[in-house]
Amino acid sequence: AQTVTQSQPEMSVQEAETVTLSCTYDTSESNYYLFWYKQPPSRQMILVIRQEAYKQQNATENRFSVNFQKAAKSFSLKISDSQLGDTAMYFCAFMRTGTASKLTFGTGTRLQVTL
Amino acid sequence: NAGVTQTPKFRVLKTGQSMTLLCAQDMNHEYMYWYRQDPGMGLRLIHYSVGEGTTAKGEVPDGYNVSRLKKQNFLLGLESAAPSQTSVYFCASSARDEGWGNSPLHFGNGTRLTVT
Repeated sequence: AQTVTQSQPEMSVQEAETVTLSCTYDTSESNYYLFWYKQPPSRQMILVIRQEAYKQQNATENRFSVNFQKAAKSFSLKISDSQLGDTAMYFCAFMRTGTASKLTFGTGTRLQVTL
Repeated sequence: NAGVTQTPKFRVLKTGQSMTLLCAQDMNHEYMYWYRQDPGMGLRLIHYSVGEGTTAKGEVPDGYNVSRLKKQNFLLGLESAAPSQTSVYFCASSARDEGWGNSPLHFGNGTRLTVT
């Protein structure tokens, strides 16, 4: 079974600064996908960014980028130019290919962006 | 676009009562899922379905039943609610991805259930 670990329960960053959220995972699979989801106070689950394990290039989406280290089984999320609207819970998630898109989630990191 | 709609949004039950949570999607997705979210534990998969008339157990299926009689609907039932089932429940759906993980999950806005 896969496990996803987020070791930072809470983090804080000042507006316009950069913050990195950590995620590690454990799997014996070679083909898989990794995701970061954002959950603001509205409770909605929003996909932030997605990484295919077979791609060496790190995914980027505007101010969001990942540092994917396959050998180390690490998948961190970097948020640049943090905005107040980035305040949310962030979940790292793992999906093994061929498994009907089932996700295994980490326990989440609560990010607070301050003025 | 409605996407994934969950009803109700909130519910309070007494121990031993039963209820059904309804999930409806209008995207013609093959796959549907029920997750529960508890503080400090992230989201955990309860049951899922890969098509109309099919269901399968996830990580934490005990105490729940599901049905997928119509492609667009996925029902989650609690036959005899327990305080341990107090949680926020999320439904999600995705298109068939042929195993390549190309189809992202679309989530509903959750149902907060309290069992007293």
